[in-house]
Amino acid sequence: GAVVSQHPSRVICKSGTSVKIECRSLDFQATTMFWYRQFPKQSLMLMATSNEGSKATYEQGVEKDKFLINHASLTLSTLTVTSAHPEDSSFYICSARAPPGIPGNTIYFGEGSWLTVV
Amino acid sequence: AQTVTQSQPEMSVQEAETVTLSCTYDTSESDYYLFWYKQPPSRQMILVIRQEAYKQQNATENRFSVNFQKAAKSFSLKISDSQLGDAAMYFCASGGGSEKLVFGKGTKLTVNP
Repeated sequence: GAVVSQHPSRVICKSGTSVKIECRSLDFQATTMFWYRQFPKQSLMLMATSNEGSKATYEQGVEKDKFLINHASLTLSTLTVTSAHPEDSSFYICSARAPPGIPGNTIYFGEGSWLTVV
Repeated sequence: AQTVTQSQPEMSVQEAETVTLSCTYDTSESDYYLFWYKQPPSRQMILVIRQEAYKQQNATENRFSVNFQKAAKSFSLKISDSQLGDAAMYFCASGGGSEKLVFGKGTKLTVNP
C-alpha cells in the first residue's frame, strides 16, 4: 500500500532555534499534503495544506511565518518551526492523498514527529 | 464547514465481544467521504475503514463494519470479535472535495482480556 514517511521521528531543539520536519510520499506523487498537530490526549488539528509548487494554505489561527511549509516536489513537503519555543513542543504528523486509482480518496499518514523545545 | 462529533471519550469491551463506536458529522459538501482511523500508542494513524457518502451500502473490512445513516449524518463503527490489539484511540473523520480531513475528538477503546 501507499507509504508516507516522516523524519525525524523525534527531535529536541533549543528555544529560539529552527527545526525542519520532512514528509515524503515514498511510492506515489502527492500534489497535496497536510500538516497536523496533536496535543496530548487530543485530536489532530489541521495546521495547513501544502500544495506542490505554490504557497501553503494555513488554517485560521496558525502563524504562517512561524510554521513555514515548503512543497518543492511531488514527493516531499517540509515543515519548519522557526524560532521555536517550549509551547511549540508537540506531535506533528503529515498526510498525503493517494492518487486516483486507489478508491475512496484515501489519505495516508506519516509516522509523526515528536518535537521537544527546551 | 465540517464538524465531526464523537460523544464517547472512552469505551471498553471484553475480548471476543462486539463494540460500537459512535460518530456524527455535519458537512456542506455534496460529495464526501467518511473514515475511521486507529491510533495505537505508537501514534501511527492507521486507516481502519472508509465510506463513500454516495454509496448506500455499508462498508465492511473483516471484523470492522460501519452503520452509515446519511440522513441522520451518523457513521458508527462496529468491531466484532474484539482483540487485544484493537485497543487504541479511534478517530472518526470526514473529508470532502477539498480533501482535508476533519477529525472528531476520538474514543479511547480498552479491550479487557
